[in-house]
Amino acid sequence: GDSVTQMEGPVTLSEEAFLTINCTYTATGYPSLFWYVQYPGEGLQLLLKATKADDKGSNKGFEATYRKETTSFHLEKGSVQVSDSAVYFCALSDRNTGNQFYFGTGTSLTVIP
Amino acid sequence: GAGVSQSPSNKVTEKGKDVELRCDPISGHTALYWYRQSLGQGLEFLIYFQGNSAPDKSGLPSDRFSAERTGGSVSTLTIQRTQQEDSAVYLCASSDSYEQYFGPGTRLTVT
Repeated sequence: GDSVTQMEGPVTLSEEAFLTINCTYTATGYPSLFWYVQYPGEGLQLLLKATKADDKGSNKGFEATYRKETTSFHLEKGSVQVSDSAVYFCALSDRNTGNQFYFGTGTSLTVIP
Repeated sequence: GAGVSQSPSNKVTEKGKDVELRCDPISGHTALYWYRQSLGQGLEFLIYFQGNSAPDKSGLPSDRFSAERTGGSVSTLTIQRTQQEDSAVYLCASSDSYEQYFGPGTRLTVT
């Protein structure tokens, strides 16, 4: 069945460091891929998405590219800020399974000044 | 427009009591999901409604949990005979088939 596997945390980085959070997926069809972010004390909100191979989603300096050949959707940011401290969830939606959403377990990021 | 709303925002109940959690999805969204998030944990899928199809209940942890969605809109998650391990944040999300929109959650504490 469909699933998402993402890098386990927690991750701690210094401000302005480069961030990568790995995410790979398994899907029966041709899914859409998402990164959601949950800031401390807040609900989940969409960070970025990509709906087809080679698409790049981007928002707030974060990027992720839909790689069909490696079934991956790694999240990257060139220079993290303290305000990026949050939990990041990779997710997929597969029309072959009736648009059911599958989430990774989440990766906690802490950025220190 | 209005987002997904959930009520109550906080609920404290005694062990053994029943609770009902409400979700109002975004108008027109045909899909509705319930998740549970325990402290410091990821999202645990509970149940999924899609239009008039039979719901996907595969994530419900026990028969004490049930959910319904009336008129394809509002949904209620019911937990009977609550246990301390039911304490968590219960999240609802609705979808327009392209992405999920989450509500703020209901924090349930079972004492």
